[in-house]
Amino acid sequence: NAGVMQNPRHLVRRRGQEARLRCSPMKGHSHVYWYRQLPEEGLKFMVYLQKENIIDESGMPKERFSAEFPKEGPSILRIQQVVRGDSAAYFCASSPVASNEKLFFGSGTQLSVL
Amino acid sequence: DAKTTQPTSMDCAEGRAANLPCNHSTISGNEYVYWYRQIHSQGPQYIIHGLKNNETNEMASLIITEDRKSSTLILPHATLRDTAVYYCTSGTSGTYKYIFGTGTRLKVLA
Repeated sequence: NAGVMQNPRHLVRRRGQEARLRCSPMKGHSHVYWYRQLPEEGLKFMVYLQKENIIDESGMPKERFSAEFPKEGPSILRIQQVVRGDSAAYFCASSPVASNEKLFFGSGTQLSVL
Repeated sequence: DAKTTQPTSMDCAEGRAANLPCNHSTISGNEYVYWYRQIHSQGPQYIIHGLKNNETNEMASLIITEDRKSSTLILPHATLRDTAVYYCTSGTSGTYKYIFGTGTRLKVLA
């Protein structure tokens, strides 16, 4: 049973470009969560999605960031017009039921903005 | 969510018990204590959680003080593969809004 798959593992973008991060949850999991880990800081919640619905986006920056989890395909975290401050590790997690504190995390995408 | 504080780093000899403390003096009565760990270049991995009773699973034991202001994660027989950053956090049942601080960097020594 494959775990949570994130790609790419490493993504390099220049300032002003768009970054797209993908997350495929574990088989049978329909709840996806995105987190960001800034350098030398801890992990912070960004957004919680269920298939085709955003359940909680209270941790998302108000501008340039968006997330989706379509009926088919992976969840996508999109960052438009990236800035150097967006450089971080972005982790996706999934769970089989709603608001389950036992989350299964992927290995993350390391975003570097030049 | 209550603020948690942990030592920055700890060493443990392989095969010995690793005892990782966490202070959560402002924890509310309905908040659980959660422990995750993050091995280098990987995502966090759930270890254990508890409310007020001590808990044990295949990975670790969690000892919560009676006043619930602190807890200790115990890895009974640490191995080199337990070298990781260990995070203690708190939240109500079903939480997903984890905020992990800088955690405790545990190094298991051969």
